[in-house]
Amino acid sequence: GIQVEQSPPDLILQEGANSTLRCNFSDSVNNLQWFHQNPWGQLINLFYIPSGTKQNGRLSATTVATERYSLLYISSSQTTDSGVYFCAVGHAGKSTFGDGTTLTVKP
Amino acid sequence: ETGVTQSPTHLIKTRGQQVTLRCSSQSGHNTVSWYQQALGQGPQFIFQYYREEENGRGNFPPRFSGLQFPNYSSELNVNALELDDSALYLCASSRSGTTETQYFGPGTRLLVL
Repeated sequence: GIQVEQSPPDLILQEGANSTLRCNFSDSVNNLQWFHQNPWGQLINLFYIPSGTKQNGRLSATTVATERYSLLYISSSQTTDSGVYFCAVGHAGKSTFGDGTTLTVKP
Repeated sequence: ETGVTQSPTHLIKTRGQQVTLRCSSQSGHNTVSWYQQALGQGPQFIFQYYREEENGRGNFPPRFSGLQFPNYSSELNVNALELDDSALYLCASSRSGTTETQYFGPGTRLLVL
């Protein structure tokens, strides 16, 4: 099956810093989403981005489908950005998640 | 617009028992996918239901089964529970039989003793 790798696995930042999270996938995909999982387990949609670039406030994402990767940018991080960030790709009728990046933003 | 809801929120069972988890899809969505998330891992795809039929399945044994009802709500049934079935179970709804733009419910935490 398709492999989805996220990096880095852990990231610790000071409030106000910027960060880039990466998602690599091993085969062509039909779709790609980025999620933020809060401490209570709720997965919150950030972006649906099978290709191209999108921005939503301090967050933006870019997917280069031909090179099989996606990037999530977080600017001016806040403590409320802490949590686990997942990318999920759709391939052959299934959805596959990476193992996530755990982000900790310190005040 | 009503979001995805799941019940119960928490559940404790013993090994060998059976469990049923429930999910109501977001209004306007006809597709429900179920995931298992073990501690410290990403969600693993169990299966997807579209128009009341299974529309894709991950690497889970047959004791994991499901249903989708005409109102697009869904159930996940797990028979012969094992200790390793302890996890957060998530359902997601989406449109038109795909996994694009999935919206997740809050999950059910299952503990098997």
